[in-house]
Amino acid sequence: KNQVEQSPQSLIILEGKNCTLQCNYTVSPFSNLRWYKQDTGRGPVSLTIMTFSENTKSNGRYTATLDADTKQSSLHITASQLSDSASYICVVTPYGQNFVFGPGTRLSVLP
Amino acid sequence: GAVVSQHPSRVICKSGTSVKIECRSLDFQATTMFWYRQFPKQSLMLMATSNEGSKATYEQGVEKDKFLINHASLTLSTLTVTSAHPEDSSFYICSARYAGGAENTEAFFGQGTRLTVV
Repeated sequence: KNQVEQSPQSLIILEGKNCTLQCNYTVSPFSNLRWYKQDTGRGPVSLTIMTFSENTKSNGRYTATLDADTKQSSLHITASQLSDSASYICVVTPYGQNFVFGPGTRLSVLP
Repeated sequence: GAVVSQHPSRVICKSGTSVKIECRSLDFQATTMFWYRQFPKQSLMLMATSNEGSKATYEQGVEKDKFLINHASLTLSTLTVTSAHPEDSSFYICSARYAGGAENTEAFFGQGTRLTVV
C-alpha cells in the first residue's frame, strides 16, 4: 500500500532557528516527491518538486533532500521566520497515479 | 505563476440546501482538476478527479450523487454539495495541473472553501 509518513507531528521553534522535517514513504513506482506549505485556512503552496534523479532542491530558505534508496526526504528551513508557521505536507506521486499525501507537520515559530 | 482560483472562500448554508463551489484555472488550461476534502488537523483526502468533457472519477466511499462535479471547460470545474448536512461541513480544496503536463508538472491548489452547514 502506498503510504507517506511524516515526523514530527508538530514542532515549536524560536524565530531565527533552523529546523528539519522528515518524510518517509513506501510508494511504488516512484515518480516524484513534493513539499507543500499550507497556512491555516488556505490551500497548499508548492515549495519543491524532486524526481528520482534529484537529491536536493532549494527554494529560498527551504531546502529539500531526497534519498530514493532509503525512501526518505527532509525539508530544512533556515533562519525561521514567524511567517513560516504552517503545516508542511510531503506528497509522493506513484507513476501514473494520484498524489499520496502525508499527514503533515505543524510548525509553530515563536518570537 | 499559474493561479487556481476557488470561490467562495467561505459559505454557510442551511441543512438540506445545495452549495456550489467553483474552481478556475486563471492562466492555463487544465483537462484534469482534483477535488479534496480536509478535516481539521488532517491532510487532504482526494474526493474525485474532474475530467473536462467527461464524467468525474470518484474515490471509494464518496457519493457521486451527493457531490456533483461538472467540468464544462478547460478552465472551470464546479463541485455541488447537494442536500448538505452538518457532517458535510469541511474544508474543500481544488487542484489543477497543466493540460498534457508531465508527471512532475507543477500542481496548483485553490485557496479552499470553508463550508459550514447549520
